[in-house]
Amino acid sequence: QSVLTQPPSVSGAPGQKVTISCIGNSSNIGAGYEVHWYKQFPGTAPKLLISGRSNRPSGVPDRVSGSKSGTSASLAIAGLQADDEADYYCQSYDKSLNIWVFGGGTRLNVL
Amino acid sequence: QLQLQESGPGLVRPSETLSLTCSVSGDSLSSDAYFWGWIRQPPGKGLEWIGNIFYRGNTFYNPSLKSRVIISLDTSKNQFSLKLSSVTAADTAVYYCARRHNSFDTWGQGTQVTVSS
Repeated sequence: QSVLTQPPSVSGAPGQKVTISCIGNSSNIGAGYEVHWYKQFPGTAPKLLISGRSNRPSGVPDRVSGSKSGTSASLAIAGLQADDEADYYCQSYDKSLNIWVFGGGTRLNVL
Repeated sequence: QLQLQESGPGLVRPSETLSLTCSVSGDSLSSDAYFWGWIRQPPGKGLEWIGNIFYRGNTFYNPSLKSRVIISLDTSKNQFSLKLSSVTAADTAVYYCARRHNSFDTWGQGTQVTVSS
């Protein structure tokens, strides 16, 4: 069981907006540690999608955004495209466990 | 352009030591701006942080693996390495090396390691 909780899957039609939640606690997200998001296609390495609240690496479109409130964070993807179908992971730091932690991952299905 | 490439045996026998190397090009492991880390992903599962190393050799390990893990640096070759001892089938995974600043901003392509006799 992951320290950061994500829904196993979310779905949306092309053009729609979806959000993926990442729920932590007072030892990680709630303690003020940044949340980062990664995108992974099956059989390939994860790639950084969002660092912190809104730092997007070169090539990541601005229809992808991140937010954080209290002990949880969210990733929003607007204007869904077929290429958005992938697994998404949130990541932060946990001061009680002294480890960098990942969420369990969310599969985004584009209908 | 920064690139990381993992290498090592794809098959390790139970109770033996898994040894992997990450070769880095496009950046120097001697830089004080980054940590260098290992992350693994068991088949069909999520990501698990294994440990990080800083250019001075400071290491940080996942407590769940700490008794079996050693991460080391070879700045002359611009490589860092992972050793995981006393492996079992539970250590079967794709192993990734990555650069960490705030986030893990660059990853290697990953290498599959299977623990089996």
